[in-house]
Amino acid sequence: NAGVTQTPKFQVLKTGQSMTLQCAQDMNHNSMYWYRQDPGMGLRLIYYSASEGTTDKGEVPNGYNVSRLNKREFSLRLESAAPSQTSVYFCASSEAPGGNQPQHFGDGTRLSIL
Amino acid sequence: GENVEQHPSTLSVQEGDSAVIKCTYSDSASNYFPWYKQELGKRPQLIIDIRSNVGEKKDQRIAVTLNKTAKHFSLHITETQPEDSAVYFCAASRYGGSQGNLIFGKGTKLSVKP
Repeated sequence: NAGVTQTPKFQVLKTGQSMTLQCAQDMNHNSMYWYRQDPGMGLRLIYYSASEGTTDKGEVPNGYNVSRLNKREFSLRLESAAPSQTSVYFCASSEAPGGNQPQHFGDGTRLSIL
Repeated sequence: GENVEQHPSTLSVQEGDSAVIKCTYSDSASNYFPWYKQELGKRPQLIIDIRSNVGEKKDQRIAVTLNKTAKHFSLHITETQPEDSAVYFCAASRYGGSQGNLIFGKGTKLSVKP
């Protein structure tokens, strides 16, 4: 039982390049989330998917897109990477939507944009 | 929207002492308050959570208290050990659609000195 799996673990991009961060969960959870973590800023929600087939913006969605591919997978895409998007990205999942359920996090993707 | 403030940002204690981290929230409708521990370079992990119908919850050396009137909640760690050293995040949410996502505090770096 792997929980939440993120790929890749590390990535370096040049400004303007695009890439997709992958996330998969094997806990049969309905809801999935993407956060970014910057020093001194805590965890900020980028996008979330309350259930398969739905996605919604979080606190800091600009510059990102997401796809809920199926119940297990939720990807985050940077279309044209900018240095301000250098961060650690965490995917999380929970059994139910609405925020009042425990969220389980992946190991994170450390992304540097030069 | 919800705003969560966390204090202190850093906390240093001697092994065996107690540590207390406090959070305040702004949305009186918030009803779920988890605490996450994040070791250096690792994922955030849920250590304890409390719902608004409970004033206190304990799990071995960890306890959380909630004061709904004052809109604040606290994490208490007794008999601290070096392995308690980590960054701790509080969060708050309330049930319901797009309003129900977790809002995190900015974290407290706890150092336990042997």
